[in-house]
Amino acid sequence: DADVTQTPRNRITKTGKRIMLECSQTKGHDRMYWYRQDPGLGLQLIYYSFDVKDINKGEISDGYSVSRQAQAKFSLSLESAIPNQTALYFCATSTAGGDNEQFFGPGTRLTVL
Amino acid sequence: QKEVEQDPGPLSVPEGAIVSLNCTYSNSAFQYFMWYRQYSRKGPELLMYTYSSGNKEDGRFTAQVDKSSKYISLFIRDSQPSDSATYLCAQAGGAQKLVFGQGTRLTINP
Repeated sequence: DADVTQTPRNRITKTGKRIMLECSQTKGHDRMYWYRQDPGLGLQLIYYSFDVKDINKGEISDGYSVSRQAQAKFSLSLESAIPNQTALYFCATSTAGGDNEQFFGPGTRLTVL
Repeated sequence: QKEVEQDPGPLSVPEGAIVSLNCTYSNSAFQYFMWYRQYSRKGPELLMYTYSSGNKEDGRFTAQVDKSSKYISLFIRDSQPSDSATYLCAQAGGAQKLVFGQGTRLTINP
């Protein structure tokens, strides 16, 4: 079984709809991250959480919100989706301290029409 | 200007060629660098990491950091079709956040 899972894997929605992307991990890591990936832009950090009560904005948090329901679960919400939020979204986890290695989920491909 | 810049390619080379992938960085405060490999329809996976200046070798892969020019490189020797992927460089910044380059899409042609 995968250590970091994301649901759904693909989603097509319409402008203005609320969307939630979910991430679960079995690695026992404290730290979780949400990124979006666009062609030519690489990975951009949306939000990150160092534990259940510690949530921080990344470089592109506008239009997004997150919820850390438990150590193993970190959800990303788009309250009112817009077409320029069409992208590939990745969840990642890491341990506190250590060598900074982040472990990524398989990604969610989101299309906003 | 992004803190980490990477030529997005695409780069296409014949099997067996030596591949050079490069990034530049602007923030000298952090000297921990990583290379991630991302296959199509998959999440990125850590390939190699280096700290400060110098080389690190792992099989056919060599990661190199040049502090003086703020340049990081990944060399692939005897490239194989299975090396075809997108390669992302990253710099570990404050609070253990990673700053990624744009990624270079590499194709090795049999």
